[in-house]
Amino acid sequence: QTVVTQEPSLSVSPGGTVTLTCGLTSGSVSTNNYPGWYQQPPGQAPRTLIYSTNIRSSGVPGRFSGSIVGNKAALIITGVQADDECDYYCVLDLGGGTWIFGGGTKLTVL
Amino acid sequence: QLVQSGAEVRKPGSSVKVSCMTSRGTFNSFAVSWVRQAPGQGLEWMGRIIPSIGTTNYAQKFQGRVNITADKSTRTAYMELNSLRSEDTAVFYCARGEAFDMWGQGTRVTVSS
Repeated sequence: QTVVTQEPSLSVSPGGTVTLTCGLTSGSVSTNNYPGWYQQPPGQAPRTLIYSTNIRSSGVPGRFSGSIVGNKAALIITGVQADDECDYYCVLDLGGGTWIFGGGTKLTVL
Repeated sequence: QLVQSGAEVRKPGSSVKVSCMTSRGTFNSFAVSWVRQAPGQGLEWMGRIIPSIGTTNYAQKFQGRVNITADKSTRTAYMELNSLRSEDTAVFYCARGEAFDMWGQGTRVTVSS
């Protein structure tokens, strides 16, 4: 069974840069998996940050970017701010019209 | 904008049907996915429908227990989950398209005897 892997937790200092990754237990992530990234503050619905690897959703600041790094999808956040402290989820297209979310990364801004 | 129906309480073994009202543009041009989030847990893709053609796809985990439909007259997508158990207590979201670029506000479903 395919599982999407994410770091369970990461911490970063205000103003710093952090990279969150999204991998596949069954192999490499590519642009053909159309990786997406979503930010979820506590008690709220998810907010779309990035879709199709690196396309920023409307209204999302430029300090959020997406790419493929090695065999994983990556979300890079630069100039981290206190309100970036949220849960972050990636999603991958497995083909055949099916998708799968990663387990999420809890980002702490110290 | 995606507008979902209100909170539901169900007994184990019963069914629940959650709705997601869309716009004309969304209904005619995008898939609508359903995503489950149990308390304190992550997001889980359940399945989707392409309303314009009626095609559905389901996650293997939910196959046979979930039915996703769409009503063209009201531009509304529905997710029906059967044989409910306590582990189905969750917030259910609808989300638009392959980018999941728009989300409903969520519908809380509580399964309790």
